[in-house]
Formats: sequence, C-alpha cells, structure tokens
Amino acid sequence: TQLLEQSPQFLSIQEGENLTVYCNSSSVFSSLQWYRQEPGEGPVLLVTVVTGGEVKKLKRLTFQFGDARKDSSLHITAAQPGDTGLYLCAGGPFGNEKLTFGTGTRLTIIP
Amino acid sequence: GAVVSQHPSRVICKSGTSVKIECRSLDFQATTMFWYRQFPKQSLMLMATSNEGSKATYEQGVEKDKFLINHASLTLSTLTVTSAHPEDSSFYICSARDRFTGELFFGEGSRLTVL
Repeated sequence: TQLLEQSPQFLSIQEGENLTVYCNSSSVFSSLQWYRQEPGEGPVLLVTVVTGGEVKKLKRLTFQFGDARKDSSLHITAAQPGDTGLYLCAGGPFGNEKLTFGTGTRLTIIP
Repeated sequence: GAVVSQHPSRVICKSGTSVKIECRSLDFQATTMFWYRQFPKQSLMLMATSNEGSKATYEQGVEKDKFLINHASLTLSTLTVTSAHPEDSSFYICSARDRFTGELFFGEGSRLTVL
C-alpha cells in the first residue's frame, strides 16, 4: 500500500490569511489529484497534476506537483469561509488504476 | 458533467441484517468501479475494486464474504454488507471510471448506521 501523508492534519485560520497543505509519499505517482469534501458528501475533484514540477492555478488555489512526482502542495491565498472542508490528495501509481487517498487535512476558515 | 449516483444516501438497519448499496453511473459506462469506506474525521480507505463481469478485487484486510460486491452491468455496482454490526457503521463511497475517457467520478456517499 502506498501511503500519502498530509500535513497539517487540522488547520484553523482567520479569513484572509494564506495557507499551504502538503501531501508527501515515498512512492512515485503517475498523477496526483486534490479533492475537497464537505460533510456527508462525496469528494469533489479540484485538480489533477501529471507532470513533475507542474503548477496549476484555480482562482485562489495553487497546486504544485513535486519534481520527483512523490509530493504535492496546495496553497490557498486569502482564505475565505467557503474554503472550509476536508482536503484530500490522492495518487495513482503507474500501471495501476487504483486511487490511494491521503490522510486528509481538515481546514476551517474563521470569519 | 458525468454523474455517479448512490442509493440509498442514508440507511439505518438492525444488527444482523444485510444492507445493499447501489452505485450507478448515470450517463457513462464504467468497467471499473471502486468502493471506499470513510470513518468520521478520517480519509477514504479503498475496500475493493469492482470489475464488470468478473469478481471484485478486495484490499488487504477487507472480508470479501462480509462485503459482497456485484458489478453485473456497465452502469451498476452493488455493495452488500452482510450480517451488519455496529462497527460496520460508516460512510461508504463509490467511484466509477469512464471506460472511454478514463475519468473518475465519485458518488455522493451512503451513510450506514447499524443499531
């Protein structure tokens, strides 16, 4: 089983602040995805990064895939209460279509 | 966009009974579907890979006789929790992979409570 460790596990910050969530593994992944999940709902895909070193932006969210394809980060600028949720990274190893989820980061933005 | 529907979204049952959860891909065909389990405040743990027309592949530690998976068509996979016990109470989530595009879509989840 390939483990994806996320840090921090919990994060509570004021509205308007910036934050970064990390997703690390000792394994190489063909791609990494980031999801956000609201309570009682399924995860919703935010982005997929495929190329080592790739950076993708989604409004105030910036995603980066590590050069070695073992880690990824999610940076949120000027966080808003609507960003509150459980953020999950997920990776798919080469030649395997199973998706392994990270340990999760529960983010709370305080108005 | 593509939608994956789970039914029921919530179910409460008595200990010892069996519960079936359906996962349907509404506008695409899926040869592969995945079943996850999520405990409160935790991440998703893959239980099994459901393959259309063949036996499911279970992850280590998941009892295949307790969690029966059937994927009889390209749009439907079912998970049956047999002889459910309170420790089986959890949020069960499925995902389906579009057989042509390879895209993966998640269902809304099914919350099982065993009394």
